[in-house]
Amino acid sequence: AQSVTQLGSHVSVSEGALVLLRCNYSSSVPPYLFWYVQYPNQGLQLLLKYTSAATLVKGINGFEAEFKKSETSFHLTKPSAHMSDAAEYFCAVSLTSYDKVIFGPGTSLSVIP
Amino acid sequence: NAGVTQTPKFQVLKTGQSMTLQCAQDMNHEYMSWYRQDPGMGLRLIHYSVGAGITDQGEVPNGYNVSRSTTEDFPLRLLSAAPSQTSVYFCASSPGTSGRRGELFFGEGSRLTVL
Repeated sequence: AQSVTQLGSHVSVSEGALVLLRCNYSSSVPPYLFWYVQYPNQGLQLLLKYTSAATLVKGINGFEAEFKKSETSFHLTKPSAHMSDAAEYFCAVSLTSYDKVIFGPGTSLSVIP
Repeated sequence: NAGVTQTPKFQVLKTGQSMTLQCAQDMNHEYMSWYRQDPGMGLRLIHYSVGAGITDQGEVPNGYNVSRSTTEDFPLRLLSAAPSQTSVYFCASSPGTSGRRGELFFGEGSRLTVL
C-alpha cells in the first residue's frame, strides 16, 4: 500500500530563512506526488504536484519541490520564508488511475519575525 | 464561484444519533471524496466516488455510508455516532481528467463533536 511520511510535525524558521519540509513516500512504482497547504480554519489547497514531466516542480507562492526517485523523496523548499507562509503543509501521493489521494500526517510551519 | 460547499459547519451529536453531512460541488467534477482530519494524523480517506452511482471505501470507512445519485452531491452519513467520530470532516472534488489527476478542491470543513 502506498504511504507518505513527513519528518517533523513542527518546523520553525526565521523570516527570510530557507524553508525545507521533508516528505518520503513508499511505492513500488513512480506515483503522482503533491503538496497541499492549509491555512488556519480553512480547507486545503494545492501548492504543487509532480507527474513525471520534470523532477523539479514549481508551485505557487515561491515554493518548489524536487522528486528524487533514488531517495523516494519529494521535499518542499522555499528560499526565503515570509510570515504569510505559516500554515500546515501536507505531502500526498496517488497511484491509481483515479484521484484517490493519500495524505501524510502534516508539518506545521511557524515563521518567526 | 461556490466551488465545494459543505453543511453544516458545526454540529454536536449525542452518542448513537445519526446525521448526514452534505457536500455539493458546482464544477461538474467526476471525482468526489470525504476525509476526516485528526491532530497528528493528517487527512484520512473515508469514502470516494469516481462518478454518479459509483462509490468505494477509503482508509477508514467503518461507521460511515455514502451515496452518489448525482454528479453534484456526495453526502456522508453517520449511522450511529460514536465519540471516536469527533473530527473535522472535509469534502473534496477533482476534475478526474488525466491532466489534472489528484488536483483536489476542498470545502471549508465540518466540525463534528460527539458527546
